[in-house]
Amino acid sequence: DAGVIQSPRHEVTEMGQEVTLRCKPISGHDYLFWYRQTMMRGLELLIYFNNNVPIDDSGMPEDRFSAKMPNASFSTLKIQPSEPRDSAVYFCASSFRGGGYGYTFGSGTRLTVV
Amino acid sequence: AQTVTQSQPEMSVQEAETVTLSCTYDTSESNYYLFWYKQPPSRQMILVIRQEAYKQQNATENRFSVNFQKAAKSFSLKISDSQLGDTAMYFCAFMNAGGTSYGKLTFGQGTILTVHP
Repeated sequence: DAGVIQSPRHEVTEMGQEVTLRCKPISGHDYLFWYRQTMMRGLELLIYFNNNVPIDDSGMPEDRFSAKMPNASFSTLKIQPSEPRDSAVYFCASSFRGGGYGYTFGSGTRLTVV
Repeated sequence: AQTVTQSQPEMSVQEAETVTLSCTYDTSESNYYLFWYKQPPSRQMILVIRQEAYKQQNATENRFSVNFQKAAKSFSLKISDSQLGDTAMYFCAFMNAGGTSYGKLTFGQGTILTVHP
């Protein structure tokens, strides 16, 4: 298996623009997670899905953030409009049956909003 | 809510020596999982080791082992025979084994480990 695949690896955008981050989980995994990593706040859970259904989005910082999982093999995290404080590394991770054996993380997307 | 605390922002060790990274956590749950993840400069998050709270035996994976003290809510990671490739940020993480927060990993702030030749 190719692991969890995220794209793009790097994204630089101007403030106010829409940003879409993409994730392909491991085939057969039924949980998908979006995390954000910053120096100040560390690793924060933004939202997670079980069988394509959002379970907990309490970590989504603002209405500017939205996430979808239209099918078992694809998820997106969208920021509209983007702001400089959204600059961070965004990780997608997937797991089987909740993650008691741990998540498999993607390589992350480094987002810079200028 | 659960919290995970790593009190050592940075550690260093000589190649081939042993180093221990500390982690404490706070929870009212009795059944949960604990993990150590490694994040090298490539930024990839890699699972190092996991522990199930209901198992008294400490987990071991090759050169990596844990000291799990449930009553003290402590979960330290020991790296034996340190190698240059162990240089990374190490994160301790907690997950409830059930309930509404099942599946959610809570991470500590991380410890930067540098292995010197």
